[in-house]
Amino acid sequence: AQRVTQPEKLLSVFKGAPVELKCNYSYSGSPELFWYVQYSRQRLQLLLRHISRESIKGFTADLNKGETSFHLKKPFAQEEDSAMYYCALSKGRRALTFGSGTRLQVQP
Amino acid sequence: EAGVVQSPRYKIIEKKQPVAFWCNPISGHNTLYWYRQNLGQGPELLIRYENEEAVDDSQLPKDRFSAERLKGVDSTLKIQPAELGDSAVYLCASSLVASSDTQYFGPGTRLTVL
Repeated sequence: AQRVTQPEKLLSVFKGAPVELKCNYSYSGSPELFWYVQYSRQRLQLLLRHISRESIKGFTADLNKGETSFHLKKPFAQEEDSAMYYCALSKGRRALTFGSGTRLQVQP
Repeated sequence: EAGVVQSPRYKIIEKKQPVAFWCNPISGHNTLYWYRQNLGQGPELLIRYENEEAVDDSQLPKDRFSAERLKGVDSTLKIQPAELGDSAVYLCASSLVASSDTQYFGPGTRLTVL
């Protein structure tokens, strides 16, 4: 069965500090990995997906198949990055399997 | 573009009462999802539709939950009777075609069962 693990419920950093939100997955084969974000009082939305290999709002994520990880990184955190972040996995036409989420708190 | 529309936004009911949630997906999106999100958890799939066909309902508790998607557009999710453990946020999402497409989420319905 596919599973996504986000080991940290809360990550608190100061503005300008680097950020790394951890995500590990278990799935045999080659899944697609995503990061979704939910800002306060907003709906859940896609932040980035591994196949796009792009940087969104300064965030990047690299799929490491050997370690089965898809950590989300940003070199310098901003206060507006404070939100709930969910790592998710999909394979083929299946729906997303989400992790339990990590709340990122960026302090001034 | 309004995005995915859900109603009601909040619902409080007593246990054993029925409740229904409505979802209008983004125009042209063939795939529609219902997720349930318990407090402190990520969303979990209840059912997925491709057009009007339910193609994945393995996680739907069929003894009390039912869903329909008339004409492949709007969808309704019903619980009858509701139990205390059904308190959660019910999210609807839609995507253009397959699950690997970007899923667009609605604001959710927060259900409280007393």
